[in-house]
Amino acid sequence: AQSVTQLDSHVSVSEGTPVLLRCNYSSSYSPSLFWYVQHPNKGLQLLLKYTSAATLVKGINGFEAEFKKSETSFHLTKPSAHMSDAAEYFCVVSDPRTGNQFYFGTGTSLTVIP
Amino acid sequence: DAGVTQSPTHLIKTRGQQVTLRCSPKSGHDTVSWYQQALGQGPQFIFQYYEEEERQRGNFPDRFSGHQFPNYSSELNVNALLLGDSALYLCASSPGGQGVYYEQYFGPGTRLTVT
Repeated sequence: AQSVTQLDSHVSVSEGTPVLLRCNYSSSYSPSLFWYVQHPNKGLQLLLKYTSAATLVKGINGFEAEFKKSETSFHLTKPSAHMSDAAEYFCVVSDPRTGNQFYFGTGTSLTVIP
Repeated sequence: DAGVTQSPTHLIKTRGQQVTLRCSPKSGHDTVSWYQQALGQGPQFIFQYYEEEERQRGNFPDRFSGHQFPNYSSELNVNALLLGDSALYLCASSPGGQGVYYEQYFGPGTRLTVT
């Protein structure tokens, strides 16, 4: 069975400081992992994806995530937060063997303080 | 490319009524998935359609049903609406096939309110 745990429901950072959003996953198979962002009243936008290639994945808007199999983690980072990064972030795991059903975490709300 | 489109944007229904939501996938995509996102929660998988058949289903009652048309567009039907069905309903599309890592592209959603 697949599942995702987002360890923080809310994260608050100052503009220009690093961002760390934590995600642990559970999967009985080599999973594919994703981070999506959801701005208020907007659809879900893909930030980045891990698909068993390089363990350090670079995404849009300066975000990165590192796949650590030994820790079953896929934390999202950004060196310097921008006001426009304030949004809800979702970590997602899927099993490509079964049609890529997505399992979402409960989300982390990121606040950026000016 | 218009991306994934959904209609209507908002909908208000009364308990016991039936509702149909519509989705057009991104150009070139033949697989459509539906998700329910309750307020303050992550999206929950309802079902997925591929080649006009339901390929996978999440833990949702039979009141939730769907359809996929030959042009790959899809409908989500919910019968006998309950207050708890109030949520944002998201449609996502992706290329078909299994065993391949595909991201899903999401539409803006339909906000359903049941009173």
